[in-house]
Amino acid sequence: QLQLQESGPGLVKPSETLSLTCTVSGGSVSSGSYYWSWIRQPPGKGLEWITYIYYSGTTIYNPSLKSRVTISLDTSKNQFSLNLNSVTAADTAVYYCGRLTNSGFNFDSWGQGTLVTVSS
Amino acid sequence: QSALTQPASVSGSPGQSITISCTGTSSDVGGYNFVSWYQQHPGKAPKLMIYEVSNRPSGVSNRFSGSKSGNTASLTISGLQAEDEADYYCSSYTTSSTLVFGGGTKLTVL
Repeated sequence: QLQLQESGPGLVKPSETLSLTCTVSGGSVSSGSYYWSWIRQPPGKGLEWITYIYYSGTTIYNPSLKSRVTISLDTSKNQFSLNLNSVTAADTAVYYCGRLTNSGFNFDSWGQGTLVTVSS
Repeated sequence: QSALTQPASVSGSPGQSITISCTGTSSDVGGYNFVSWYQQHPGKAPKLMIYEVSNRPSGVSNRFSGSKSGNTASLTISGLQAEDEADYYCSSYTTSSTLVFGGGTKLTVL
């Protein structure tokens, strides 16, 4: 059974870089059937897709965040990571990692989410 | 890219049916059959309820169904139950190879 688990600091200072890792168990990030993705949800608000990556290294970013976001894959650790730089209070959110099917572009598995607060 | 348009809230009584709409453009909803729907209970991660417009994952009740006409997709829940009360989000693939979510709809079971 696939499980995804987010990890990283729960508090980040303004202007610094938010870094999160998603550890995948019960499946492989090297699978050609899926993309690996990050989604966020500000408190009390809706979902916002951030980025996804394929095992080949192909990356796609939300245009509104593209200048500040990097996603990467570590196949040896079966993990993928998110870096978001120059954060502000507007980046405060629950960050979810998810598995995205490459046949239908749906998120068929999600991590539990981790709250990241941007504050000095 | 703009978020897909969903009603902020819908409500219905137990046993009734409700429909939630999700309106996009020809660059997303109207251009692909890659529309999915997610249910989110408070404090929980979203759960996939419908994929590729009208398909149900294993384990999802057949009370949930999806459809699409032009640039608008719809989620219908029949035989409403108290446990259906949650937030619902649609999402779509786009011509830019990106993904976009709807703003979310809060379903209240009266």
